[in-house]
Amino acid sequence: DVKVTQSSRYLVKRTGEKVFLECVQDMDHENMFWYRQDPGLGLRLIYFSYDVKMKEKGDIPEGYSVSREKKERFSLILESASTNQTSMYLCASSSQGLYEQYFGPGTRLTVT
Amino acid sequence: GENVEQHPSTLSVQEGDSAVIKCTYSDSASNYFPWYKQELGKRPQLIIDIRSNVGEKKDQRIAVTLNKTAKHFSLHITETQPEDSAVYFCAAKKGSDSWGKLQFGAGTQVVVTP
Repeated sequence: DVKVTQSSRYLVKRTGEKVFLECVQDMDHENMFWYRQDPGLGLRLIYFSYDVKMKEKGDIPEGYSVSREKKERFSLILESASTNQTSMYLCASSSQGLYEQYFGPGTRLTVT
Repeated sequence: GENVEQHPSTLSVQEGDSAVIKCTYSDSASNYFPWYKQELGKRPQLIIDIRSNVGEKKDQRIAVTLNKTAKHFSLHITETQPEDSAVYFCAAKKGSDSWGKLQFGAGTQVVVTP
C-alpha cells in the first residue's frame, strides 16, 4: 500500500520567513509533485521531479523552490513567505509510466 | 499548455439519482484522463481513469466516457449515495508528456442529500 506522508498538517508562519515543507513516499516512485490547492482553482502544479536532483517547473513556480536529494523525499521551499502563499499544499508521487498519482494528506499553511 | 475546464462547480443530487460532471480539454494530443475524489479533510484519490484509445470505462456505479472529437470527457455516478458526497477533480495528461504531469480541472463539489 502506497504511503505518502507530509511533515506537517498545519503550519503558521510569518511574512518573510523561510518555510520548508517535506514529503516522503515509501514506494520507490520516480516522480514526485508539489501542488497547491485553492478553492475554485483546483490543483495547480508548482514543481515536479522525475529523479534525484532533477526538477522541472510547473505552472506556478514563482516564489517556490524544491529539493530532491533522495529518491523518497521531495521538499518544497518558500524562500520568503508571503500572505498570498497561504494555501493547502499537496504532495504526490507516481511510478514512471503508470500515471496514477498518490497524494499525501496535505499541509495547510497560513502566512500572517 | 493544456487547459482543463470542469462543470458544474457544484452539484446537488437526491440520493438514488445520477450525477454527471463534464470536463473539456484543449490539447487534442492528450491521452490520459483520470478522475480523483477528495472527501472532506482527506487526500485526493483516484477513482477511475481512461486512456484515449477507449471510449468508455465502467466500475460498478461510476463510469467515464471520452469524446476525442469534441475533446470532452465525463464522469457518471449512478444510484448516488451519501458517501459519494465529495469534491471530484478531472485531469488530463498531455500526449507529449512522459512523466505523468496532469492538468487538473477546478473541481466539482457534489452533495448527495438523503
